Amino acid sequence: AQSVAQPEDQVNVAEGNPLTVKCTYSVSGNPYLFWYVQYPNRGLQFLLKYITGDNLVKGSYGFEAEFNKSQTSFHLKKPSALVSDSALYFCAVRDGNRDDKIIFGKGTRLHILP
Amino acid sequence: DTAVSQTPKYLVTQMGNDKSIKCEQNLGHDTMYWYKQDSKKFLKIMFSYNNKELIINETVPNRFSPKSPDKAHLNLHINSLELGDSAVYFCASSQYRGFNQPQHFGDGTRLSIL
Repeated sequence: AQSVAQPEDQVNVAEGNPLTVKCTYSVSGNPYLFWYVQYPNRGLQFLLKYITGDNLVKGSYGFEAEFNKSQTSFHLKKPSALVSDSALYFCAVRDGNRDDKIIFGKGTRLHILP
Repeated sequence: DTAVSQTPKYLVTQMGNDKSIKCEQNLGHDTMYWYKQDSKKFLKIMFSYNNKELIINETVPNRFSPKSPDKAHLNLHINSLELGDSAVYFCASSQYRGFNQPQHFGDGTRLSIL
């Protein structure tokens, strides 16, 4: 069965510093990996995805994520955090070998301190 | 133009009542979803439809019944509402033939049971 874990409930980063939000996954086939962001009272918004190809994926708002097959991780990163990046971030995984549903992590709340 | 729109945005009602939530997408997508987000922000899929056909039906009480009159609409009807149904319900859509396609979410319907 596929699963995804976000080990941190909350991450605090000073504005201007680099940020990392962690995600690990488990699937039996090839992983399709996604990051979404949720702002207060809004739906989830797609940030980026990894399907195949380069391990470093670039997405919206200056975010990027690195796929690491050996560590089964897909951490979200940004070189310089903005206060406006404060939100709830969800990692999600889908088994690329199966026509199945996407599984979301429990979310990580990112606080960027001014 | 709103891509995925849900109505109503807020729904406050008494236990035991029957209510419906409507969802429409103007993205031309083939697949639509209903998710439930609980008070801890955990997101769980309830149903998925592809071209009006039910393809995912998670372990959801049969008080919940989705209806898809066409591929642009997916409504959710809930009978005999219970206190535990209080949550935010999100509608989403994606292109079915691309399993690697991101999902587009509405802004949610906040259901409160008194």
